[in-house]
Amino acid sequence: DAEITQSPRHKITETGRQVTLACHQTWNHNNMFWYRQDLGHGLRLIHYSYGVQDTNKGEVSDGYSVSRSNTEDLPLTLESAASSQTSVYFCASSTHNRDTQYFGPGTRLTVL
Amino acid sequence: GENVEQHPSTLSVQEGDSAVIKCTYSDSASNYFPWYKQELGKRPQLIIDIRSNVGEKKDQRIAVTLNKTAKHFSLHITETQPEDSAVYFCAASGSGGGADGLTFGKGTHLIIQP
Repeated sequence: DAEITQSPRHKITETGRQVTLACHQTWNHNNMFWYRQDLGHGLRLIHYSYGVQDTNKGEVSDGYSVSRSNTEDLPLTLESAASSQTSVYFCASSTHNRDTQYFGPGTRLTVL
Repeated sequence: GENVEQHPSTLSVQEGDSAVIKCTYSDSASNYFPWYKQELGKRPQLIIDIRSNVGEKKDQRIAVTLNKTAKHFSLHITETQPEDSAVYFCAASGSGGGADGLTFGKGTHLIIQP
């Protein structure tokens, strides 16, 4: 069955380290998104992509980057992890002509 | 940018009663409004959505209403059941629909009392 997966599901890292979170979808969706979820803030958009080689900044993009080299994957990189980036990260995807976003299972990241 | 306000933050209702969660948005160009349900430790799951050219949409016990003039939309759950207990999030899109990414409210913790 088509699906959207994230890895790792849990990650502990240290301040200053580079971290990459993976997101992979097999629906052949054009649009992919990264959100972070924190208590008291709901979900906030970090970056999104309409297709290969396209990336766009969201509401809370500082300290994060993404790249889209194929349709299936949108990895999220924290260039130099900070304690403020401790959060649960969700990837989502949607087709180019439908609004519905489907979420991955999430990655819990702890920065010590 | 878009701003979405959601109320209440916590809602406790008796099993079988109705629950209403309300959201307001700021960008009049927003045209897509989904509602997600999230159980503890799980991913958000879409339960119902509405586009700006529709005033109301219903799916069994769940309904959503949209008032474009006032820029607010609401989720109505009737005949609540224990499995309705969860956190519910409203969201609004940009003018490009869901393709632009969503702005979420801060969530409502719905508690169904037996």
